[in-house]
Amino acid sequence: GESVGLHLPTLSVQEGDNSIINCAYSNSASDYFIWYKQESGKGPQFIIDIRSNMDKRQGQRVTVLLNKTVKHLSLQIAATQPGDSAVYFCAEEGQGGKLIFGQGTELSVKP
Amino acid sequence: GAGVSQSPSNKVTEKGKDVELRCDPISGHTALYWYRQSLGQGLEFLIYFQGNSAPDKSGLPSDRFSAERTGGSVSTLTIQRTQQEDSAVYLCASGGGGDNTDTQYFGPGTRLTVL
Repeated sequence: GESVGLHLPTLSVQEGDNSIINCAYSNSASDYFIWYKQESGKGPQFIIDIRSNMDKRQGQRVTVLLNKTVKHLSLQIAATQPGDSAVYFCAEEGQGGKLIFGQGTELSVKP
Repeated sequence: GAGVSQSPSNKVTEKGKDVELRCDPISGHTALYWYRQSLGQGLEFLIYFQGNSAPDKSGLPSDRFSAERTGGSVSTLTIQRTQQEDSAVYLCASGGGGDNTDTQYFGPGTRLTVL
C-alpha cells in the first residue's frame, strides 16, 4: 500500500542554524509531494511542493529535495527562526488527489 | 473570504448524539477534501468532492459518517451516533483552482470532543 513516513519525530535546532527534515515514501509512481507546517491549534499551512520531474525546488528560506532513486524527500530551512517551530508534515498525492501524510516531525528552535 | 473556513471551531457532544461540521472552501476551488487528525497523529483522508460528486469515499471509517456538498461550494460532514473514538480534529481542504491544480489549502479545523 501507499505510505509516507518520517525518519525523526522531533528535531531541536539552535536559532540561526539550518534545519533538515527528512521523509521517506513508498509509492515510486507518486508524482507530487508537498510539505506542510502545522502550528498548535491551526490547520496545516502549505510551505512548498515539488513534482517528480524535478529534484530540487527553492522557496523563501526553504528548499525541497527529491531523490526518486531512494524515494526520499527532505525539507531544508535556512537560518531557522523561533517562528519556524511547528510540526512539519510531508504528504504524497494519491489517487484522486487525496494526500497521504506522514506522522510529522516536531521542530523546536532554541533561542 | 481569502481562505478555507470551518465551523464550529470546537464542538463538545455526548456519546450517541449526531454532529454536523461545515466547510466553506476557497471561492472557485472545485475540489474539496475532508481529513481527520487524531491527537499527535498525521492526517487521515476521509472523503473528497469534485464539484458536488464524491468519487472517493474510501476513507470514511463507518456508515455513521457521511458528507455532502451543494452548489459546488459548502460541504457538511455528518457523524451520526457519535462515539468517543470519533474525537479528533476534522480538517477541510480545497484545491483545484488557479494555476496549481494540485495544491490543497487547509482550514483551521473543527475540534470534536465526544464525552
